Amino acid sequence: DADVTQTPRNRITKTGKRIMLECSQTKGHDRMYWYRQDPGLGLRLIYYSFDVKDINKGEISDGYSVSRQAQAKFSLSLESAIPNQTALYFCATSDWGAGANVLTFGAGSRLTVL
Amino acid sequence: ELKVEQNPLFLSMQEGKNYTIYCNYSTTSDRLYWYRQDPGKSLESLFVLLSNGAVKQEGRLMASLDTKARLSTLHITAAVHDLSATYFCAVDMSRDDKIIFGKGTRLHILP
Repeated sequence: DADVTQTPRNRITKTGKRIMLECSQTKGHDRMYWYRQDPGLGLRLIYYSFDVKDINKGEISDGYSVSRQAQAKFSLSLESAIPNQTALYFCATSDWGAGANVLTFGAGSRLTVL
Repeated sequence: ELKVEQNPLFLSMQEGKNYTIYCNYSTTSDRLYWYRQDPGKSLESLFVLLSNGAVKQEGRLMASLDTKARLSTLHITAAVHDLSATYFCAVDMSRDDKIIFGKGTRLHILP
């Protein structure tokens, strides 16, 4: 099994629908991140969390919300999806080992909003 | 606000040639990372650079960090087709531990 698991891997939805992308990890890492990837724009940070009570906005948090249900689970929600939220979403974890935040990524969740 | 800029964004090169990808960032940081992404895949860590003057090498790739110039380079020596991928640099902001990525350099190595 993968260390960082994202579900669903692919999702097509319609404008205005509520969508949740889920991320779970077995690495025991405290830090979890959500990024979106768009062609030509690289990865942009949406939210990040250092523990269940510590959630922080990233570069582009508008239109998104998150929930850290447990150390191992970090979910991303789109309350009312819009077409420009069509993207590839990555969850990542890190454990601040040896003074570095090396990220371990999930396989990605491709979201299409029609 | 931290900005991370990579150049070039796209590079097509012949096998056997050398080239360098540049990563500039806008605020003080001494933690910089390089990742590789193959088409249709996720990202994998390549290098971790944690201090001024740090140099890491693996195979035909070598990364370095100059924190005073706020610049990291990823040098490719005698490129081979297997190195075709998109390479991202990412900078870790010491103040709040945000990790901000550059836009990536898509490297296409022609056989």
